[in-house]
Amino acid sequence: EPEVTQTPSHQVTQMGQEVILRCVPISNHLYFYWYRQILGQKVEFLVSFYNNEISEKSEIFDDQFSVERPDGSNFTLKIRSTKLEDSAMYFCASLYRGWFFGPGTRLLVL
Amino acid sequence: SQQGEEDPQALSIQEGENATMNCSYKTSINNLQWYRQNSGRGLVHLILIRSNEREKHSGRLRVTLDTSKKSSSLLITASRAADTASYFCATVEYGNKLVFGAGTILRVKS
Repeated sequence: EPEVTQTPSHQVTQMGQEVILRCVPISNHLYFYWYRQILGQKVEFLVSFYNNEISEKSEIFDDQFSVERPDGSNFTLKIRSTKLEDSAMYFCASLYRGWFFGPGTRLLVL
Repeated sequence: SQQGEEDPQALSIQEGENATMNCSYKTSINNLQWYRQNSGRGLVHLILIRSNEREKHSGRLRVTLDTSKKSSSLLITASRAADTASYFCATVEYGNKLVFGAGTILRVKS
């Protein structure tokens, strides 16, 4: 069964460093999303991506964040200068007749 | 406004008992979905109920939807220790964006 994959599963970084979280959505899906979940809190929408551009972004998704689909396969989330409060689980999802979530990347900013 | 607020926040039951979780939302919806998340893991889609449906079953899961009260419930019958997880309801907002509630933490004791 096709699935959304994410790498890495865990990442530890120093405050101020750039991180890139990678996702491989299901191949025929058209809409892509990033969500994050701070420990113990609800899953929050960050950004949606359709037709190679951002279709919607939340207040959380500020200038430090960017998304790309560089090669028609990978879907990446970049955080340019990480802050302590960026520590969270980041989920990628793709949509086609239903939402499919990846297993998440646990990001820890020290 | 916040969509998909669940109650209770936490529920502890014995194996074999039924578990009921409730979700309320504020705006009009096309459908409402329930997801499960094992501790520190990804989101697994459980069931989707459309706005014109009142009840839906899937195995040991039973979901109801009352659009007049803007509420839904998830019933897990004959619970097992493996059902221990967090359960989230989610509604779809404009732009195919899923909005999650705060979740119910279910613990099934064996």
